[in-house]
Amino acid sequence: EVVLTQSPATLSLSPGERATLSCRASQSVNNYLAWYQQRPGQAPRLLIYDASSRATGVPGRFSGSGSETDFTLTISSLEPEDFAVYYCQHRLNWPSTFGQGTKVEIK
Amino acid sequence: EVQLVESGGSLVHPGESLRLSCTASGFTVSTNYMNWVRQTPEKGLEWVSVLYNDGITFYADSVRGRFTISTDSSKNTLYLQMNSLRVEDTAVYYCARDLYRSARLRGMDVWGQGTTVTVSS
Repeated sequence: EVVLTQSPATLSLSPGERATLSCRASQSVNNYLAWYQQRPGQAPRLLIYDASSRATGVPGRFSGSGSETDFTLTISSLEPEDFAVYYCQHRLNWPSTFGQGTKVEIK
Repeated sequence: EVQLVESGGSLVHPGESLRLSCTASGFTVSTNYMNWVRQTPEKGLEWVSVLYNDGITFYADSVRGRFTISTDSSKNTLYLQMNSLRVEDTAVYYCARDLYRSARLRGMDVWGQGTTVTVSS
């Protein structure tokens, strides 16, 4: 089973700042990695798939990069609605595991 | 509008059974790849099961042999039959459609709002 480790656990930033979130896999997942955003009381929302492809309707300030074992989600300039928890998930095989999440909070 | 609506969550005792439902609108469940994912504050998001559009199923080790995923095409609904429930099955359960492109599953692009299952004596 692939283990995904996200860092940091919490990121304290101000609106307008750049957010950089990391996801590291215990083994190579090629580029089969997705990112999700979850706001309080809501279901997760797909942001990025295949490590760098934005899902339909996702704003351009969200970008993903990386391959094999190291991945990054970048939010170029934080909007108020971006303060949420972000999860990575690998799509290499079953079971498809999730990281433990990074909370982006208002500083 | 593409939408998933779960129902069936409840408070049950250990060892009992429960069936969750997930009704889709705006797309056809049986022609897509459909998942159940659960979430707890302690363990976060945990994938539970997937049903391919050709009937193939996969399960997490923690539920294999106890849970069964299925669909009813006439109702455009996905189900999760949960037997021999344990305290550790307590979670919010989501159904989610998988994005299938170029012969691979890419990410879960449509999610329901979740239904809560509590297993407690």
